[in-house]
Amino acid sequence: GESVGLHLPTLSVQEGDNSIINCAYSNSASDYFIWYKQESGKGPQFIIDIRSNMDKRQGQRVTVLLNKTVKHLSLQIAATQPGDSAVYFCAENTGANSKLTFGKGITLSVRP
Amino acid sequence: DAGVIQSPRHEVTEMGQEVTLRCKPISGHNSLFWYRQTMMRGLELLIYFNNNVPIDDSGMPEDRFSAKMPNASFSTLKIQPSEPRDSAVYFCASSLIQINSPLHFGNGTRLTVT
Repeated sequence: GESVGLHLPTLSVQEGDNSIINCAYSNSASDYFIWYKQESGKGPQFIIDIRSNMDKRQGQRVTVLLNKTVKHLSLQIAATQPGDSAVYFCAENTGANSKLTFGKGITLSVRP
Repeated sequence: DAGVIQSPRHEVTEMGQEVTLRCKPISGHNSLFWYRQTMMRGLELLIYFNNNVPIDDSGMPEDRFSAKMPNASFSTLKIQPSEPRDSAVYFCASSLIQINSPLHFGNGTRLTVT
């Protein structure tokens, strides 16, 4: 997408290491959270979601952790690969509908 | 599944011209969303529809922007007249109308207004 990279915080990791991407959300009433991955020239792609009645959810190589006490969400990527290089967004939903509010995004850069 | 399809992928136009962006949501999805992405403001929701009915257009910047959804498989976002500050990537997304249903995005239309 147009906005990736230049003004976003960047996380640089070595290929094969684990990555942890953090997100602070703003609305204590939010009860559904999603992580998206956006590669250059593409739309955001769904990675994993979590409901507020959970504090951890695992997918394939990814884990999302939710701490409602401090309104913090994190995405863990195991054995990071070059294909994981992208901008990652967290999004929150108050549950009234599917209207999502997106964070600013973090660029993940994987070093070979 | 073909996913959400947007056209055109790129649009370059002169200030004052009318621009129409198009979206075909995923078949069976009954919610449709238009987002705009810029460096300064990130992803912003412009408007969304449930069952072809506009529900919330509070994110539409001004009267120059309008969106329609004449049927379940097609939506347009129109800017008339366009201005240079409208330059951005416009994304369409669709989902099911149900609590906690993720949005699925198209690959966007990159709009440049000169």
